[in-house]
Amino acid sequence: KQEVTQIPAALSVPEGENLVLNCSFTDSAIYNLQWFRQDPGKGLTSLLLIQSSQREQTSGRLNASLDKSSGRSTLYIAASQPGDSATYLCAVRRGSARQLTFGSGTQLTVLP
Amino acid sequence: TAGITQAPTSQILAAGRSMTLRCTQDMRHNAMYWYRQDLGLGLRLIHYSNTAGTTGKGEVPDGYSVSRANTDDFPLTLASAVPSQTSVYFCASSRDSSGANVLTFGAGSRLTVL
Repeated sequence: KQEVTQIPAALSVPEGENLVLNCSFTDSAIYNLQWFRQDPGKGLTSLLLIQSSQREQTSGRLNASLDKSSGRSTLYIAASQPGDSATYLCAVRRGSARQLTFGSGTQLTVLP
Repeated sequence: TAGITQAPTSQILAAGRSMTLRCTQDMRHNAMYWYRQDLGLGLRLIHYSNTAGTTGKGEVPDGYSVSRANTDDFPLTLASAVPSQTSVYFCASSRDSSGANVLTFGAGSRLTVL
């Protein structure tokens, strides 16, 4: 059974700092990996989707990498801002769309 | 703005009562999903539908039922609520069930069963 782990559970950084969020998964036979952002009391917003054949995806200040062989993905946030404060979740898809396993998330706080 | 609408936003329900959480999307997505989010457990799939007229069981389907009469609507019903069903429920959709597409989420429905 696929297990997805995100460490740390919570992270606090000063504004302007570059940071890396980690996601690890136990079964490397994945179809793709998706990073989401969740604001308090809100739904999930998709940030980046990396297919299994890709090594990274970029959107603005965000860069996500994928290393299937080691079962790891990282989300890099450049020049963090207080507006980046949220919980970031990764989700790994094994096959069809319903076979999606979520991590428990990393709660990020960017201090002004 | 195109997206997913969930209702109600929040509800307190007595144990043993029935409840239907509504989900409507206007993106003409074929696939829809219901998840529950619990602290420490992350998001878990309850039921899914690959296309109108079909449904399937997810990881935690017991105590829940769904229907998919048309493309846009995917209601989740609790026939006889129990306190362990206290959770935040999210409806999501994707263009198809292949897994290649981004998953879009609704804002969630917070349910408390007393």
